[in-house]
Amino acid sequence: QQPVQSPQAVILREGEDAVINCSSSKALYSVHWYRQKHGEAPVFLMILLKGGEQKGHEKISASFNEKKQQSSLYLTASQLSYSGTYFCGTAASGTYKYIFGTGTRLKVLA
Amino acid sequence: GAVVSQHPSRVICKSGTSVKIECRSLDFQATTMFWYRQFPKQSLMLMATSNEGSKATYEQGVEKDKFLINHASLTLSTLTVTSAHPEDSSFYICSASAWLGESSGNTIYFGEGSWLTVV
Repeated sequence: QQPVQSPQAVILREGEDAVINCSSSKALYSVHWYRQKHGEAPVFLMILLKGGEQKGHEKISASFNEKKQQSSLYLTASQLSYSGTYFCGTAASGTYKYIFGTGTRLKVLA
Repeated sequence: GAVVSQHPSRVICKSGTSVKIECRSLDFQATTMFWYRQFPKQSLMLMATSNEGSKATYEQGVEKDKFLINHASLTLSTLTVTSAHPEDSSFYICSASAWLGESSGNTIYFGEGSWLTVV
């Protein structure tokens, strides 16, 4: 039931773009995106609630497909500070439990 | 500032002893709090869902007698790792859910996390 993220890991050069996907076998009520630095709590990036929604700020944006089973996070012109592990988070289907995707480790090199 | 406070941030304990981790919501009442464990290079795995005034709901494979969760008030949940062993060493993190309305949905606020090392 855990959402599956792809890729598992990605290495970029500064200025390059990346796309991180989060897929669920069941429709999600909403999806959150987080970035986590080692040893720290996840930092909230954005929430998507509606099928077909796209939102973002500056160089980080996200989409939620119409069926609400897939969300993608777009990182444009990556910066060194973007390095970390990205997680999607959502309420497990039919429950109040909040669970995370499998994670994507991203490293941006100078 | 932080809306969920978790304490302690780091703790070292001897094998066989117990350690308590506290999670407090500072600016809101949290009827539901979640406890996660994260091993190196892995995702945050839900251990249990803590509801104020009732027993916690544990995930499959999580020993409820070993990981005692108490949610005695709307602002405090505690996780006690009993008879800790080195394999319990991990990063533990709590979160609290707040409903921010139809346009924002449920927002999850995280504590700062606690590093537990059992020696």
